[in-house]
Amino acid sequence: EAGVTQSPTHLIKTRGQQATLRCSPISGHTSVYWYQQALGLGLQFLLWYDEGEERNRGNFPPRFSGRQFPNYSSELNVNALELEDSALYLCASSLATKYQETQYFGPGTRLLVL
Amino acid sequence: DAKTTQPTSMDCAEGRAANLPCNHSTISGNEYVYWYRQIHSQGPQYIIHGLKNNETNEMASLIITEDRKSSTLILPHATLRDTAVYYCIVPRSPLSGTASKLTFGTGTRLQVTL
Repeated sequence: EAGVTQSPTHLIKTRGQQATLRCSPISGHTSVYWYQQALGLGLQFLLWYDEGEERNRGNFPPRFSGRQFPNYSSELNVNALELEDSALYLCASSLATKYQETQYFGPGTRLLVL
Repeated sequence: DAKTTQPTSMDCAEGRAANLPCNHSTISGNEYVYWYRQIHSQGPQYIIHGLKNNETNEMASLIITEDRKSSTLILPHATLRDTAVYYCIVPRSPLSGTASKLTFGTGTRLQVTL
């Protein structure tokens, strides 16, 4: 069974640009989560999508946004990039979250903002 | 999420059992204990989870105390590849109406040595 996949693996952008990161969940999983791990910091919850809807977001500005497609894959968009957005962005997926379900993580996209 | 407390670091000799403790004294009755690990620069890897009873899978065993205020993750025969940061997480149950996000603390850095 294929795990969570993310693309691209690495992304280099300059300040002010936009970045788009993609995530494909495990087959059968309908929930997708995004986390940010800046260098030397812990994983911070960004966004949670379930059945195409944004269910919750962490303490991040509105320039962090995303969407979930009908096939449950997801996209994270970061507008007006700032240097401090440089981080490892991780996507996780789980089954429907009526009850606590295990989240499985992808390998991440490493974003570098110059 | 319920607050968890873990030692900052631990060492273990290869081939020996690694016992990683976690305190979660504010855990509620329907909240699970999850363990993940993160090997340098990779996405977190799910290890095991439990509610009340001890659990075992191909990776590890999870021992939860009767009062559920603490738990221990056991890697029975640690290898060099088990060197990683181990996170003990008690996610808020979605039945309480909050998001199913995971809150990663600083975890325990396990160093397995020859």
